[in-house]
Amino acid sequence: NAGVTQTPKFRVLKTGQSMTLLCAQDMNHEYMYWYRQDPGMGLRLIHYSVGEGTTAKGEVPDGYNVSRLKKQNFLLGLESAAPSQTSVYFCASSYGLAGVETQYFGPGTRLLVL
Amino acid sequence: LAKTTQPISMDSYEGQEVNITCSHNNIATNDYITWYQQFPSQGPRFIIQGYKTKVTNEVASLFIPADRKSSTLSLPRVSLSDTAVYYCLVGGPGAGKSTFGDGTTLTVKP
Repeated sequence: NAGVTQTPKFRVLKTGQSMTLLCAQDMNHEYMYWYRQDPGMGLRLIHYSVGEGTTAKGEVPDGYNVSRLKKQNFLLGLESAAPSQTSVYFCASSYGLAGVETQYFGPGTRLLVL
Repeated sequence: LAKTTQPISMDSYEGQEVNITCSHNNIATNDYITWYQQFPSQGPRFIIQGYKTKVTNEVASLFIPADRKSSTLSLPRVSLSDTAVYYCLVGGPGAGKSTFGDGTTLTVKP
């Protein structure tokens, strides 16, 4: 049981490049989330999904897109990367509602945009 | 969304009890209070959750007063390995309604 895994672990992009971050969970959770964490700060919710085929905007969605084509996977896309998107990205999943049910986090993806 | 306020940092020594307080003045009736722990270069992990009064598990206790406008995470007899950032999260029904604050950096000294 791997829990929540994230791919890649680290990536360097040039401004304007695109990339996709992959999150996978093997706990059969309905809910999945993407957060970003800037140095010395807390986590901010980018997008989330309450089930396969659904997505919704969180606190800081601009510049990102997501897809949940399969229940176990949640993809985060950056269409045109900007230096302001340099951050650590965490994916999480939960069986039920985030505020009520425990969120399980992945190890994070460190993204540097030059 | 319920905004949370925590002390930025706290220092303690091994073997002491540590209490970290979180303020959440506009907590909603259906909101729960959850605490997470985060070590450097890792994702947060669940510590404890409560709705009201007191909750205790094998690693911590959570005290919530009757008005629920604050909560206190209590870590008994801390060790060096408890050095981490602790986040108070307030949220309820609705996946996008949970908000992480900036966390409290706890440093445990020998």
